[in-house]
Amino acid sequence: GQNIDQPTEMTATEGAIVQINCTYQTSGFNGLFWYQQHAGEAPTFLSYNVLDGLEEKGRFSSFLSRSKGYSYLLLKELQMKDSASYLCAVRNTGGFKTIFGAGTRLFVKA
Amino acid sequence: EAQVTQNPRYLITVTGKKLTVTCSQNMNHEYMSWYRQDPGLGLRQIYYSMNVEVTDKGDVPEGYKVSRKEKRNFPLILESPSPNQTSLYFCASSLGTGGQPQHFGDGTRLSIL
Repeated sequence: GQNIDQPTEMTATEGAIVQINCTYQTSGFNGLFWYQQHAGEAPTFLSYNVLDGLEEKGRFSSFLSRSKGYSYLLLKELQMKDSASYLCAVRNTGGFKTIFGAGTRLFVKA
Repeated sequence: EAQVTQNPRYLITVTGKKLTVTCSQNMNHEYMSWYRQDPGLGLRQIYYSMNVEVTDKGDVPEGYKVSRKEKRNFPLILESPSPNQTSLYFCASSLGTGGQPQHFGDGTRLSIL
């Protein structure tokens, strides 16, 4: 079967660093995406990994290990506006289908 | 402004009354897709389209139809809605199917009574 697992909720403190993990088992792999979704809004793109390793983009970094079926999103210097859900998504081979995890709701406290 | 536009944003209707949710994108994207989002389940893909007149089923296509007569439009049709189709629906588009991210519409909240 196909499955993506993420923690349901996490809490972190403003200014800190948080790591959100994602493990996946999918039939084929054509890249992994992280999206941010604020309550009541549409998901917006954060990062993309297709090769193993770390991709850095400002305060956000994403890591991929294809052999382990594992990715994480690292958020540095947390701000209150980072309180949102973070969605891990895998595109299958060919790229036509995308499977999303249920999302991790991150609460940033002062 | 580059965007994906869905209408309506909210709809309350009754079982069995056919409805259409429209989706339009102005980015000349080839790939479009429909998702539903339910608490605890995340986004689940309903249908997708690789280009004009080319569509295929996602993971939860039962009870839905789509069409892609023009590149910019990808309507979602519920021929006979039922209460289990009450959900938040998102349309998305992307330039391609590799590393290009999907751009999402603002969502349509459907309530089927």
